[in-house]
Amino acid sequence: SQTIHQWPATLVQPVGSPLSLECTVEGTSNPNLYWYRQAAGRGLQLLFYSVGIGQISSEVPQNLSASRPQDRQFILSSKKLLLSDSGFYLCAWSAGYEGYTFGSGTRLTVV
Amino acid sequence: GQQLNQSPQSMFIQEGEDVSMNCTSSSIFNTWLWYKQDPGEGPVLLIALYKAGELTSNGRLTAQFGITRKDSFLNISASIPSDVGIYFCAGRSDLNYGQNFVFGPGTRLSVLP
Repeated sequence: SQTIHQWPATLVQPVGSPLSLECTVEGTSNPNLYWYRQAAGRGLQLLFYSVGIGQISSEVPQNLSASRPQDRQFILSSKKLLLSDSGFYLCAWSAGYEGYTFGSGTRLTVV
Repeated sequence: GQQLNQSPQSMFIQEGEDVSMNCTSSSIFNTWLWYKQDPGEGPVLLIALYKAGELTSNGRLTAQFGITRKDSFLNISASIPSDVGIYFCAGRSDLNYGQNFVFGPGTRLSVLP
């Protein structure tokens, strides 16, 4: 069966520090991968998606970047965090036409 | 771009009551999904709908794909405390292969004992 792993679960980082959140999927090949951000009490904002290794599409301009170095690995990064980068980050995968399966999320607090 | 509206934004109900919420779009969708997000967790898929008029149940949950293909409905019968959470709808038009799902802003459900 397919599983998605996302870590860390919580993270407190100072303003200006770098960020690296990792997401891996097991049990499937060539998944579509997604990064979402959710502000407190708000909906899901799509940040990046990838349909293959090295293929990244950005939905909104921002202080973040994404990379897909391996088929089932998706990384969310920032060189210098801003206070506004705080939020709940969710990774998700899908097999094309099917619905998304989400990870358990990373709660990022920038202080 | 495509946008979804969910109604109500939030609701407070007594345990045992039935719940109804809906999701509307200005565009036609060919697939509707309903997710539930528990506090501090990622959303979990509850029901998927693929055909206009389709009515699908998952335990106490029932969802319908609207005839106009511009809306979907989720009903929860005999609510219990663990139904608390945010319910998201998501839709996709499938006009282009690989098109992403669009998510609604969510309906926040609170169940009072």
